[in-house]
Amino acid sequence: EVQLVESGGGLVKPGGSLRLSCAASGFTFRTYTMNWVRQAPGKGLEWVSSISSSSTYIYYEHSLKGRFTISRDNAKSSLHLQMNSLRAEDTAVYYCARGGVVPAVIGAFDIWGQGTMLTVSS
Amino acid sequence: QLVLTQSPSASASLGASVKLTCTLSSGHSNYAIAWHQQQPEKGPRYLLKFNSDGSHSKGDGIPDRFSGSTSGAERYLTISSLQSEDEADYYCQTWDTGIVVFGGGTKLTVL
Repeated sequence: EVQLVESGGGLVKPGGSLRLSCAASGFTFRTYTMNWVRQAPGKGLEWVSSISSSSTYIYYEHSLKGRFTISRDNAKSSLHLQMNSLRAEDTAVYYCARGGVVPAVIGAFDIWGQGTMLTVSS
Repeated sequence: QLVLTQSPSASASLGASVKLTCTLSSGHSNYAIAWHQQQPEKGPRYLLKFNSDGSHSKGDGIPDRFSGSTSGAERYLTISSLQSEDEADYYCQTWDTGIVVFGGGTKLTVL
């Protein structure tokens, strides 16, 4: 079964850091662009970051660049998001999603995880 | 600027059909897009994709009740024989080099 399972969410104080992970199974992880998308409570979907299959191309939503770092470990079929200097407005459910197979083309997100909740509050 | 525009809400009766619209911004009318469904308290689910050549393909296991069409800068998602479980938020997604954009979503109510 093709599956993405996020983990690592929790409650963090403003200014703190957290690392999210996404475990992939059921497909050849190393061939796909992978992505993070977030959804603040009661709001719509917001793209966060994308990383190509070999980590050659890395993209961030403009306002997040510098605080968030995406990475992947193809040997372990895992995707990560390191988040620093967290703010209340980063509070959201964070989803991992599979993109396309063409390098530099992010593609449609055709597999989604169930999400992990990050709450930033003092 | 790459933007997707969706109506905030739509409604239709049980068993009827509904057509949701996603509009690409000026200058981007030939972009590929994808449609996603998000049922209450669940993660998004991929429904179908429109390619830049106008062709489209559905995700695995997506019922035939879900179909897509296109006209100019507009991409449509039609859901026929509406069921209660179709009550959900529907998002369109597009992408370009270094960016992904989601529409604001349409909340579909099944009456």
